[in-house]
Amino acid sequence: QVQLQESGPGLVRPSQALSLTCTVSGGSINSGPYYWSWIRQPAGKGLEWIGHMYTSGTTNYNPSLKSRVTILGDTSKQQFSLKLTSVTAADTAVYYCARDQVGYDPVTGYYNRFDYWGHGTLVTVSS
Amino acid sequence: SYELTQPPSVSVSPGQTARITCSGDGLQKQFASWYQQKPGQAPVVLIYKDTERPSGIPERFSGSSSGTTVTLTVSGVQAEDEADYYCQSTDSTGTYVFGTGTKVTVL
Repeated sequence: QVQLQESGPGLVRPSQALSLTCTVSGGSINSGPYYWSWIRQPAGKGLEWIGHMYTSGTTNYNPSLKSRVTILGDTSKQQFSLKLTSVTAADTAVYYCARDQVGYDPVTGYYNRFDYWGHGTLVTVSS
Repeated sequence: SYELTQPPSVSVSPGQTARITCSGDGLQKQFASWYQQKPGQAPVVLIYKDTERPSGIPERFSGSSSGTTVTLTVSGVQAEDEADYYCQSTDSTGTYVFGTGTKVTVL
C-alpha cells in the first residue's frame, strides 16, 4: 500500500519561502508511470494543482505559480519536495502531495488520476 | 486560463440519483477524472479516463462524457455520499486543472 506523508513548517512569514517534503512509502518515486504532484486547497475553497515531477527529473508547473515554484526529488530518501518563494497570505492553504498515475490511450491521448494522497498539511502565511 | 465549471451545489434524497456536471471546452479532447472529498480528508479518486472506476469504488459511481461536458452520476445515493466533488482534466499545455467543485447534500 502506497503512503504519502507531508512534513514541514506550519507557519511561514510573508515574503519568505515555503518548503515542504513528501515522504513516500510502499512505493518508489523512481518508477513510472507515476508523476509526483503537489496540490493545495485554501480553507473553504477548491483544489489547485501546483506542479509535478517525474523520476527523470522532468517537472511541470502551474503557469500561475511557475515563477515561484520548484519541485525536486531525492530518490535516496524516497522523498520529493516543494519550495514556493515570496509567499503571501494568499498562499495559506492545506498542501497535499499526491501520486499521479498517467496512462496513454492510442486514440485519444494521455489521461491521469491522482490515486494516492497524503493527509495534507496546513501552512499559514502570517507575520 | 482554462476553466472547468461545476454547479456549486446539488441536493438529493437518499436512494435517488445525483448527477454532477463539469463543463469545459477542452473536455472534447482531454479525459477527466472525478474526486470525492469529505471534510478534513484528502480527495479520493472515483472515476478516471471519463468512465473508468478504480478498484474498490462502489458501482453506484459512474462517469460519462458528451462533447464539452462530463458527468458524474451517483445512483442510489447514501448518506455517506454527502461530500464535495471535483472534476479534473488537463489543458493543452499539460497543466492540470480542477473544477470549481460541487457540494452534494443528502436530504
